[in-house]
Amino acid sequence: GQNIDQPTEMTATEGAIVQINCTYQTSGFNGLFWYQQHAGEAPTFLSYNVLDGLEEKGRFSSFLSRSKGYSYLLLKELQMKDSASYLCAGDYSSASKIIFGSGTRLSIRP
Amino acid sequence: ETGVTQTPRHLVMGMTNKKSLKCEQHLGHNAMYWYKQSAKKPLELMFVYSLEERVENNSVPSRFSPECPNSSHLFLHLHTLQPEDSALYLCASSQDRVGTSVRYEQYFGPGTRLTVT
Repeated sequence: GQNIDQPTEMTATEGAIVQINCTYQTSGFNGLFWYQQHAGEAPTFLSYNVLDGLEEKGRFSSFLSRSKGYSYLLLKELQMKDSASYLCAGDYSSASKIIFGSGTRLSIRP
Repeated sequence: ETGVTQTPRHLVMGMTNKKSLKCEQHLGHNAMYWYKQSAKKPLELMFVYSLEERVENNSVPSRFSPECPNSSHLFLHLHTLQPEDSALYLCASSQDRVGTSVRYEQYFGPGTRLTVT
């Protein structure tokens, strides 16, 4: 299978930094997506990592280690509007599949 | 505004009804997808269409029947559904299909909240 595992819930403080981890099965793996989904809204694309290393996009960065089957999403200078679910999804192109994790619900407190 | 619209936004139907969900993308994309999102469960990919041809059907029950008449429109026809089919049904599109290029960042529609009674 292509299990995608991520924590169910996390809490962080406004202005702080939070790291959301995701592990996945490496067999047939091509790349990893991160999406943000606010309650009652559609998911929106954040990042896609194929190569090892850190990719930065403003306050959000995403890291991938292909050998370890591990990724994380790093959110800096947290704002209240960052309260949302963050979905990790593995791209298993060899099987034409995108497998989503259950999502991490992030709550930001003042 | 994501460029992907879905109608209706909410739907309540009985188990003997027949209804259809509609998705339209205004982004000029070549691939479209149907997902099911149930409470506390991961997003489940149901169907993938690329250039109007179905390329993926993830063992979805036959009571769900997709239709893609052109690259901008995608339908999901529903009949004799079960209460456990109640969920948020999301449509998405991407420039190209997953696995064909890097241009498969997916844009999601707002979803149809389906309740089967």
